[in-house]
Amino acid sequence: DVKVTQSSRYLVKRTGEKVFLECVQDMDHENMFWYRQDPGLGLRLIYFSYDVKMKEKGDIPEGYSVSREKKERFSLILESASTNQTSMYLCASSPLRGTVFGYGYTFGSGTRLTVV
Amino acid sequence: SQQGEEDPQALSIQEGENATMNCSYKTSINNLQWYRQNSGRGLVHLILIRSNEREKHSGRLRVTLDTSKKSSSLLITASRAADTASYFCATDASGGSYIPTFGRGTSLIVHP
Repeated sequence: DVKVTQSSRYLVKRTGEKVFLECVQDMDHENMFWYRQDPGLGLRLIYFSYDVKMKEKGDIPEGYSVSREKKERFSLILESASTNQTSMYLCASSPLRGTVFGYGYTFGSGTRLTVV
Repeated sequence: SQQGEEDPQALSIQEGENATMNCSYKTSINNLQWYRQNSGRGLVHLILIRSNEREKHSGRLRVTLDTSKKSSSLLITASRAADTASYFCATDASGGSYIPTFGRGTSLIVHP
């Protein structure tokens, strides 16, 4: 079964810590995405990547960075975690221009991050 | 910014009834997708409908698209308790980057 795997389901970190959220996909997809989901706000795009070592800012990149050293792995980095970054983080992948060919996104199960 | 907006925000029905959710959007689109999210989990892709299609079926799901009204509806027939979830539409704006923008979702509760 094809999969997007996020390394942690729940994470608790302290304010100011550097936090790494890892995402791995086994579908050889070109596109990978990081979203955060908050009640009443839906999903908001943080960063995405079309290819290895390539990244593009989404709607809310402030306070975050990403790394894509290998095609299957896309990491989200919180440089200095703050309480307003407490949220559900969702990783997704898709083939390049996948929606043109009828493909949707494949999501991971999410990481619920709490910053205290 | 949100492109698609689902309506209603919440829906509560009995098992066996049909559930209808709507999605409205603002600009022209290439396609529209519907996703389901069970509580605390990731989203699952249900169906994609292209801008030149008017209706699509998948099992108990029926999706319609009216580009003149910039709206779509998702119908779940003969609902089951297992259909309890949040449902999101995602629109892929034409002339854009083919990256869907998600709405805030409709929370569906199906009572056994």
